[in-house]
Amino acid sequence: EAQVTQNPRYLITVTGKKLTVTCSQNMNHEYMSWYRQDPGLGLRQIYYSMNVEVTDKGDVPEGYKVSRKEKRNFPLILESPSPNQTSLYFCASGQGNQPQHFGDGTRLSIL
Amino acid sequence: GQQLNQSPQSMFIQEGEDVSMNCTSSSIFNTWLWYKQDPGEGPVLLIALYKAGELTSNGRLTAQFGITRKDSFLNISASIPSDVGIYFCAGHMYSGGGADGLTFGKGTHLIIQP
Repeated sequence: EAQVTQNPRYLITVTGKKLTVTCSQNMNHEYMSWYRQDPGLGLRQIYYSMNVEVTDKGDVPEGYKVSRKEKRNFPLILESPSPNQTSLYFCASGQGNQPQHFGDGTRLSIL
Repeated sequence: GQQLNQSPQSMFIQEGEDVSMNCTSSSIFNTWLWYKQDPGEGPVLLIALYKAGELTSNGRLTAQFGITRKDSFLNISASIPSDVGIYFCAGHMYSGGGADGLTFGKGTHLIIQP
């Protein structure tokens, strides 16, 4: 079954404590992306990757890092999380002009 | 970044009614997508449109890619309770050199009153 898998699904943590949200896809897609979803703002792109070792900033990259060492994985790293990064995060993958598939989301709360 | 104007923001309708929502952009796209998001889940693709003027149906859903490539609409006929959710339009500008991010509308929250 084609899947984009995010972990964890929920996380409550404190300001400044580094965290990583993992994302894995089993469709051999070249393109992967991270979005955050906030009330009234919709989905906004954080970072994306067109292929292994190729990453680029999206619309709201500040405070985030990503890496793409393998095709299937695209972790999102918050080195020093702050409360304004409390949000619902989605990973997505795609290929060419085909629609992107989304994971089920990770709800982060930064206290 | 780009923004899509999606309207309406929310709709309160009776079961059985038809629904219509749309998105407009100041930029052109070569793909328009419509997603639905249920509570606690990620967006799920409903319809993808690849050509200007294209009209595509998926069951009770119909969507069209505007001729100007700057707009799209989604219609739902004879709404049922499971249609409740948030509907997002998304524009995609694929240049051929690799995929690019989606630009999303802010969503239409559909609420069906019994």
